[in-house]
Amino acid sequence: QVQLQQSGPGLAKPSQTLSLTCAISGDSVSSKSAAWNWIRQSPSRGLEWLGRTYYRSKWYNDYAVSVKSRITFSPDTSKNQISLQLNSVTLEDTAVYYCAREGSTSSFEDWGQGTLVTVSS
Amino acid sequence: QSVLTQPPSASRTPGQRVTISCSGSSSNIGNNFVFWYQHLPGTAPKVLIYRNNRRPSGVPDRFSGSKSGTSASLAISELRSEDEADYYCAAWDDSLSAWVFGGGTKLTVL
Repeated sequence: QVQLQQSGPGLAKPSQTLSLTCAISGDSVSSKSAAWNWIRQSPSRGLEWLGRTYYRSKWYNDYAVSVKSRITFSPDTSKNQISLQLNSVTLEDTAVYYCAREGSTSSFEDWGQGTLVTVSS
Repeated sequence: QSVLTQPPSASRTPGQRVTISCSGSSSNIGNNFVFWYQHLPGTAPKVLIYRNNRRPSGVPDRFSGSKSGTSASLAISELRSEDEADYYCAAWDDSLSAWVFGGGTKLTVL
């Protein structure tokens, strides 16, 4: 059974960097049959896919156009986790952030518990 | 503005059937699988339907999905109060090289 445990601060100031971590158990971050996604949810925008990282003999990343210039994914094989950094945040980045495992069914099969991140000065 | 279009809300009474539509284009629904997610407040979303019409184990057969051309739909029969949630469709978009979601449909079971 795959479990994803998220951690990170729930508050960020405008123009600063939002950082979250997703610790994986029950699977490997280097799995060649999984992809590790970040998705956020806000009342105004619903579910919004931010991007994914996955390993297929080398690391690949896909990003949503809306955040492509500001987002970085960092897989850590020694800790079996992935991290998200979103730079230059604004009030519009206030949302609940989820990490999610894209598995063999091509769907987001497993989800972290979600982290509410509020951008406020 | 979401890439996939869903009605913002729907309401039915217990026991009824509801169908939620999801409209896209040839770069997403027209050429790729459709997925449906249920999102209850305070919880993580859960996959209800994958690859257009397949149900993960544990999802009741009251939930069904279909796809035709560039549109898809989720049907829920024998509605229960616990089905009250937000429902999202999703598909991979070849032009954007990205997963895209619908704006979500808030289902109220009166």
